[in-house]
Amino acid sequence: QSALTQPRSVSGSPGQSVTISCTGTSSDVGGYDRVSWFQQHPGKAPELILYDVTRRPSGVPDRFSGSKSGNTASLTISGLLPEDEADYYCCSHTGSNTYVFGSGTQVTVL
Amino acid sequence: QVQLQESGPGLVEPSGTLSLTCDVSGGSISSYDWWSWFRQPPGKGLEWIGQMYLRGDSNYNPSLKSRVTISVDKPKNQFSLKVNSVTDADTAVYYCARNFGFSFDYWGQGVLVTVSS
Repeated sequence: QSALTQPRSVSGSPGQSVTISCTGTSSDVGGYDRVSWFQQHPGKAPELILYDVTRRPSGVPDRFSGSKSGNTASLTISGLLPEDEADYYCCSHTGSNTYVFGSGTQVTVL
Repeated sequence: QVQLQESGPGLVEPSGTLSLTCDVSGGSISSYDWWSWFRQPPGKGLEWIGQMYLRGDSNYNPSLKSRVTISVDKPKNQFSLKVNSVTDADTAVYYCARNFGFSFDYWGQGVLVTVSS
């Protein structure tokens, strides 16, 4: 299984919005609404911020939102804050009952 | 609140076996059906290694399937990872996590394993 495709980096000023794309295939992203997003700060474990494409775990601000169209899922961070500066990874369940991650996107708050 | 903690040797010799344990606290491991392992080579992205179903099934990343085994010790409230025939490419931070639907909600802090002689 090949890694899902994400942009290497995105950036925005505080208060702006950024969107990260995650492109897979019909065997993973496109086939099921089973895409998750994780935030990872340097030296820390990943933290779940979205699951099932659009759902937020308790405690995750509604500034984080998700969507999907065809084989591409997207994470939008609205009202950027300095603490949003981190690496973001998408992850999709696959038709083989395995999981595949995206290549990761570094978000920089200018 | 569930907490997970990885433990094991930080250094493994090439061609040897990497063995890690994930201790689950704050709840019974039997309360949730699926548990997973991941890894992240230094400066690189996350990789799912495999998952274990407490009632006996397991699934592995096709790229690692021939070398990996995940098992559970319910009385000790822990699950384990073994990777055989390791090489430099297996050097990584290894994480354990609890499956949450088709995602993962609680993660350990991670443990760095270096493959070197």
